[in-house]
Amino acid sequence: EIVMTQSPATLSVSPGERVTLSCRASQSVKSNLAWYQQKPGQAPRLLIYRASTGASGIPARFSGSGSGTEFTLTISSLQSEDFAVYYCQQYDNWPLTFGGGTKVEI
Amino acid sequence: EVQLVESGGALVQPGGSLRLSCAASGFTFSTYAMSWVRQAPGKGLEWVSDIRASSVTHYADSVNGRFTISRDNSKNTLYLQMSSLRAEDTAVYYCAKDGSFYMDVWGKGTTVTVSS
Repeated sequence: EIVMTQSPATLSVSPGERVTLSCRASQSVKSNLAWYQQKPGQAPRLLIYRASTGASGIPARFSGSGSGTEFTLTISSLQSEDFAVYYCQQYDNWPLTFGGGTKVEI
Repeated sequence: EVQLVESGGALVQPGGSLRLSCAASGFTFSTYAMSWVRQAPGKGLEWVSDIRASSVTHYADSVNGRFTISRDNSKNTLYLQMSSLRAEDTAVYYCAKDGSFYMDVWGKGTTVTVSS
């Protein structure tokens, strides 16, 4: 099983700041990585797939990068609606696995 | 508009069974793989199972042999038959449409509580 590790677990930031979230895979997943956003009481929402491709309707301030075992989600200028938990997920191999999440809070 | 609506969640005793359903609309259901993902209270996301358009299935080790995923393309509905339920199966269960092994559309979820 491929283990996905996200860091940090919690990130305290202010609106307008640039935010960088990290995700590491225990073995190479090539570019088969997705990022999701989840707000309290809501279902997750797809942000990024194939490591760097934005999903439909996702604001341009969200971007993804990386390949192999190291990945990054960047929010260029944090908006109030971006406070949420962010998860990475590898889909290179079964079982599909998620990282533990990074909570972005004020 | 693509929509996924889960149902069937309930309070069930340990060792019991339950069937979850996910009604899909707004896309050609039969041509897409579908997944179930769960989230225990206060915890992260855990992939449970998927079923490809070909009906090939995959399961997490934690549910393999106890859960069965299936689909009825004539009803645009995805199912998850759960048996031998344990306390650790308590979670919100989400149905998700497969983009290409990632989940591009999610339902709102249905809650399963396993407790005596």
